[in-house]
Amino acid sequence: AQSVTQLGSHVSVSEGALVLLRCNYSSSVPPYLFWYVQYPNQGLQLLLKYTSAATLVKGINDFEAEFKKSETSFHLTKPSAHMSDAAEYFCAVSDRQNFVFGPGTRLSVLP
Amino acid sequence: NAGVTQTPKFRILKIGQSMTLQCAQDMNHNYMYWYRQDPGMGLKLIYYSVGAGITDKGEVPNGYNVSRSTTEDFPLRLELAAPSQTSVYFCASRDGTGSGNTIYFGEGSWLTVV
Repeated sequence: AQSVTQLGSHVSVSEGALVLLRCNYSSSVPPYLFWYVQYPNQGLQLLLKYTSAATLVKGINDFEAEFKKSETSFHLTKPSAHMSDAAEYFCAVSDRQNFVFGPGTRLSVLP
Repeated sequence: NAGVTQTPKFRILKIGQSMTLQCAQDMNHNYMYWYRQDPGMGLKLIYYSVGAGITDKGEVPNGYNVSRSTTEDFPLRLELAAPSQTSVYFCASRDGTGSGNTIYFGEGSWLTVV
């Protein structure tokens, strides 16, 4: 069975600081991995996804994530946080039928 | 593009009432899902469907029913609403022909049971 863990339910950074949101997964097959963002009172939107091509994946709004098989990780980073990045972030792993989502990490950006 | 459309956006139900949350997608996706999201929690899968006429339970199906008579529509029925069903409900869809295909979400339906 697949599963996803996200270390830290709430992360706070200062505006302009590095953003690092952690995601670890378990999967019995080569995984497809995703990061989604949820702004207040909205649905989830795709930030980026890994589908076995390049291990460093670039997404929207300068976010990127690196797939590390040896660490079973897919951490999300952004060099410089903006106030508009404040949201809930979900990591997910996919097999043919289902998505399994992590519990989410709420990112706060302090002025 | 409309994508995944959910109605209603907001609803207040009394305990014991029933209602249907509507979901429609116009992307010809074969896979559709219903999730619920409770405050501060992640997404929990209620039901999913891999094609018209086929549905299956997720991790929290009790108190809900679904049907999938067409590729486009995947309504979620709440029978005998209970306060525990107060939540935000998200419908989603994806093209299930590849594991790497993105899942697309609707805007959500906020349901309060009082």
